[in-house]
Amino acid sequence: KNQVEQSPQSLIILEGKNCTLQCNYTVSPFSNLRWYKQDTGRGPVSLTIMTFSENTKSNGRYTATLDADTKQSSLHITASQLSDSASYICVVSAKSGYSTLTFGKGTMLLVSP
Amino acid sequence: NAGVTQTPKFQVLKTGQSMTLQCAQDMNHNSMYWYRQDPGMGLRLIYYSASEGTTDKGEVPNGYNVSRLNKREFSLRLESAAPSQTSVYFCASSLDRGTDTQYFGPGTRLTVL
Repeated sequence: KNQVEQSPQSLIILEGKNCTLQCNYTVSPFSNLRWYKQDTGRGPVSLTIMTFSENTKSNGRYTATLDADTKQSSLHITASQLSDSASYICVVSAKSGYSTLTFGKGTMLLVSP
Repeated sequence: NAGVTQTPKFQVLKTGQSMTLQCAQDMNHNSMYWYRQDPGMGLRLIYYSASEGTTDKGEVPNGYNVSRLNKREFSLRLESAAPSQTSVYFCASSLDRGTDTQYFGPGTRLTVL
């Protein structure tokens, strides 16, 4: 069964600090991995997408890494801002079909002033 | 360009009542999806429409029906609401296949008493 596990479940950091969120997956056959940001009361918004051959992808202060061998990904947030407070969801796509996205439960990040 | 819009934003129903959640996208996307999001769980796919004129069941279709009215609109119907259907419902769309980036609407928060 395809699964995506995220850690930690929640995290509180001080404004300006860095943090790293983790995602482990067992999805086969692997197509790509996305990180979404979901603000409270809003729908998820895509931050990055990585395919099998990509190790790192950046989007401003967000940097995602992928190790396809160990089936792990991380999302690193640099110099956090209050607006980074949100849930971060790891989503893994399998190669075949339309209903093949597996969503993690998300990491709830709170950036404190 | 509004992206994906959903109506209503909030709804309270009594057990046994019916209602239809509306979704529209203006990005000329072929594929559309309905998800539900419950506390402590990842997004789960209810139904999807790979292209106009087609619909298919996702992971949790029981108690729901869908209609792909045209390329822009994809509705979700609850024929006889149950408390277990209390959730936040998200509509999403993507250009084509399930592995493409999905764009989410703002969500409908539904409470069934």
